[in-house]
Amino acid sequence: EDQVTQSPEALRLQEGESSSLNCSYTVSGLRGLFWYRQDPGKGPEFLFTLYSAGEEKEKERLKATLTKKESFLHITAPKPEDSATYLCAAYVSGGYNKLIFGAGTRLAVHP
Amino acid sequence: KAGVTQTPRYLIKTRGQQVTLSCSPISGHRSVSWYQQTPGQGLQFLFEYFSETQRNKGNFPGRFSGRQFSNSRSEMNVSTLELGDSALYLCASSLIAGQDTQYFGPGTRLTVL
Repeated sequence: EDQVTQSPEALRLQEGESSSLNCSYTVSGLRGLFWYRQDPGKGPEFLFTLYSAGEEKEKERLKATLTKKESFLHITAPKPEDSATYLCAAYVSGGYNKLIFGAGTRLAVHP
Repeated sequence: KAGVTQTPRYLIKTRGQQVTLSCSPISGHRSVSWYQQTPGQGLQFLFEYFSETQRNKGNFPGRFSGRQFSNSRSEMNVSTLELGDSALYLCASSLIAGQDTQYFGPGTRLTVL
């Protein structure tokens, strides 16, 4: 069964303390790996799409990487405004094409 | 460029009623997907529409249905509401169907009493 697992479930960081969020996937026919940020009461906000192993993308303090089994979201020198839930999702093909989401990592950055 | 809009933003219904939610995609986007988000199950795929045709469907009962109009706007309907249907319903649009990036709306918060 296709599955996406994120860890840790929750992460507390001090401002400036870099860390990484993990997204491991067990899917057949991966067509793309997506990262979203979601603030409370709002819809997910698109961050990155990764299509092949070895691919990396950066945006401000965030950098996403992809291997054949997992993806990482690296956060460098985070600020309190980076506090949110980060979701990863795998787009799979075959049968029903669909986006499968992980449960998310709740990140809290304290000043 | 306007984003994905969803109406209404909040709804309160009672068990047994039915509800219709609306989604207007980003201009030019032809694919609309619907998701249900709950604290226990996270984000789960409901269905995807492209060019007025349902392309994919998730593992939800037949009480959940949808449609897409010629202008790409989409509606989803839930009949015979149950308490467990309380959730944030999210709509996402993309240029085309497939692995293209999906952009989400703010969601409709449905509470079933």
